[in-house]
Amino acid sequence: GAGVSQSPRYKVAKRGQDVALRCDPISGHVSLFWYQQALGQGPEFLTYFQNEAQLDKSGLPSDRFFAERPEGSVSTLKIQRTQQEDSAVYLCASSFQGGTGELFFGEGSRLTVL
Amino acid sequence: GESVGLHLPTLSVQEGDNSIINCAYSNSASDYFIWYKQESGKGPQFIIDIRSNMDKRQGQRVTVLLNKTVKHLSLQIAATQPGDSAVYFCAENMSNNDMRFGAGTRLTVKP
Repeated sequence: GAGVSQSPRYKVAKRGQDVALRCDPISGHVSLFWYQQALGQGPEFLTYFQNEAQLDKSGLPSDRFFAERPEGSVSTLKIQRTQQEDSAVYLCASSFQGGTGELFFGEGSRLTVL
Repeated sequence: GESVGLHLPTLSVQEGDNSIINCAYSNSASDYFIWYKQESGKGPQFIIDIRSNMDKRQGQRVTVLLNKTVKHLSLQIAATQPGDSAVYFCAENMSNNDMRFGAGTRLTVKP
């Protein structure tokens, strides 16, 4: 498809499990962002890539969260030893240029930690 | 009607009326702002943007106003339609090139 694709759309994990969320950005988009959106809240910035370089990871809430984009295209957000407070929708967005360009969002991956 | 975009307040308007959604941003150095619309179960969708060297920008049925003195953005929607019902977020470009979102305002359009 032409848009940002995220998988899985829904993930249920038991507390303590590791999860991996995938993002396929729009082809050719340089910048890729991950956001966390809790129910009834706005998206909260997690991390930002420009090509394969992770330029900002200041929003990652703990060292259990790790993101990578090894070839400058697909990105994976990994959460280790999930906890209930990790339950949220994880949104991926890409843009042709940096943060000054329009962001195109995927539909998100909804994570529920039991 | 109008509303401040903090703690997901709700704005309810009659179909055909104009809507005004407000947002206070945090960083006086931010130079680019975007309004997004988010429908239930979907990702945010771009509506309109504005750069800090402008005070006003118009799109189709939407206008964004920027007041840098008080760090305030507003989104005006003309002739609001039922399809406009959604949560609206403002986002600001921080100096390090990431976008930060406000908490949003839920717009409900009554037929």
